[in-house]
Amino acid sequence: AQSVTQLGSHVSVSEGALVLLRCNYSSSVPPYLFWYVQYPNQGLQLLLKYTSAATLVKGINGFEAEFKKSETSFHLTKPSAHMSDAAEYFCAVRTNNNNDMRFGAGTRLTVKP
Amino acid sequence: DGGITQSPKYLFRKEGQNVTLSCEQNLNHDAMYWYRQDPGQGLRLIYYSQIVNDFQKGDIAEGYSVSREKKESFPLTVTSAQKNPTAFYLCASSIQGLGSNQPQHFGDGTRLSIL
Repeated sequence: AQSVTQLGSHVSVSEGALVLLRCNYSSSVPPYLFWYVQYPNQGLQLLLKYTSAATLVKGINGFEAEFKKSETSFHLTKPSAHMSDAAEYFCAVRTNNNNDMRFGAGTRLTVKP
Repeated sequence: DGGITQSPKYLFRKEGQNVTLSCEQNLNHDAMYWYRQDPGQGLRLIYYSQIVNDFQKGDIAEGYSVSREKKESFPLTVTSAQKNPTAFYLCASSIQGLGSNQPQHFGDGTRLSIL
């Protein structure tokens, strides 16, 4: 069965600094990978998805993620953090022989002024 | 605008009471899902439905029940058998298709608390 691990339940960066949120997956078949963002008391909003077309995926709000098969990773990055990026971020995996999606435990991003 | 509507936003349950959380979508999606979110645990799947009149248990189905009589609607009932129901509940939907690479779309959630 597929699964994801998000390293670091809390990440704190200064405004303008690089954001790096880590996600490693486990899957015996080629995965589909997703990053979602959640603001307080709201649902999850899709940031970006990897579906085997291109290994570097660009998403909304300046975020991007790179699929690295050799490292089984799909880390989320943003060159320059903004205060509005403070939220919880979830990595998720789905495979082509399963209809459900598995989520990581989440990483809470804090942005300091 | 197409989307998923969850209601109510906040819900309180008394001991021994069943409560029902509403989820409606107008995205014409076949598949719908219910997740429970607790701090530090991410999302855990309660039930999912791939088509009308069919649904499957997820990882934590005990104490919950669902129905799928219409494509647009997937209500979740939290029964009195669920001894720790305090959580944030999220409903989602997606385009059906085994092996679909499409994402899930989420509602804004219902926060359930015990009185």
